[in-house]
Amino acid sequence: DAGVIQSPRHEVTEMGQEVTLRCKPISGHNSLFWYRQTMMRGLELLIYFNNNVPIDDSGMPEDRFSAKMPNASFSTLKIQPSEPRDSAVYFCASSPGSSREQYFGPGTRLTVT
Amino acid sequence: QQPVQSPQAVILREGEDAVINCSSSKALYSVHWYRQKHGEAPVFLMILLKGGEQKGHDKISASFNEKKQQSSLYLTASQLSYSGTYFCGTEGISGGSNYKLTFGKGTLLTVNP
Repeated sequence: DAGVIQSPRHEVTEMGQEVTLRCKPISGHNSLFWYRQTMMRGLELLIYFNNNVPIDDSGMPEDRFSAKMPNASFSTLKIQPSEPRDSAVYFCASSPGSSREQYFGPGTRLTVT
Repeated sequence: QQPVQSPQAVILREGEDAVINCSSSKALYSVHWYRQKHGEAPVFLMILLKGGEQKGHDKISASFNEKKQQSSLYLTASQLSYSGTYFCGTEGISGGSNYKLTFGKGTLLTVNP
């Protein structure tokens, strides 16, 4: 299996611009998670989906962040408008559900200037 | 509530042993352990479910004391490849069908020749 796929791997954008991060989970996994990692705050869960349905979005920092999962093989995390404090590495992870372990994608390093 | 990991960092010589601890202030359903190398994604090591079990593979094992809400990761006869940051992720007791993980700040393990 190809593992979790994320794109882009690196994104540099200016403050105020819209940013869209993409994720393709491992085939057959029914849970998908979006995390943000920074030196200050560590690894934080933003939102997670089960069977394409958002279950818990309490970690989404504010209304500028939104996530969708239109089907079992694709999810997006959008930031609009972006701010410098959004700079971080964003990971997507998927889980087969029954066994609970999570498999992380390579991450997207976002820099907002 | 973010679990507390100790120590924050440890330096070993190849062949030495190490223990990393993870403590939570809330009742836990499961504890996950991940290792992250610099610039890479976290990689799943093992999961322990409530019931006080101990798991292991190769020379890495872990225990979970649900009464104390603590878990420990044991690395024996360390190898250079063990270097990285180790994270515990905890799932609250209400997580029968809730896969939400809260991660500790991590323990940086360095193994020198």
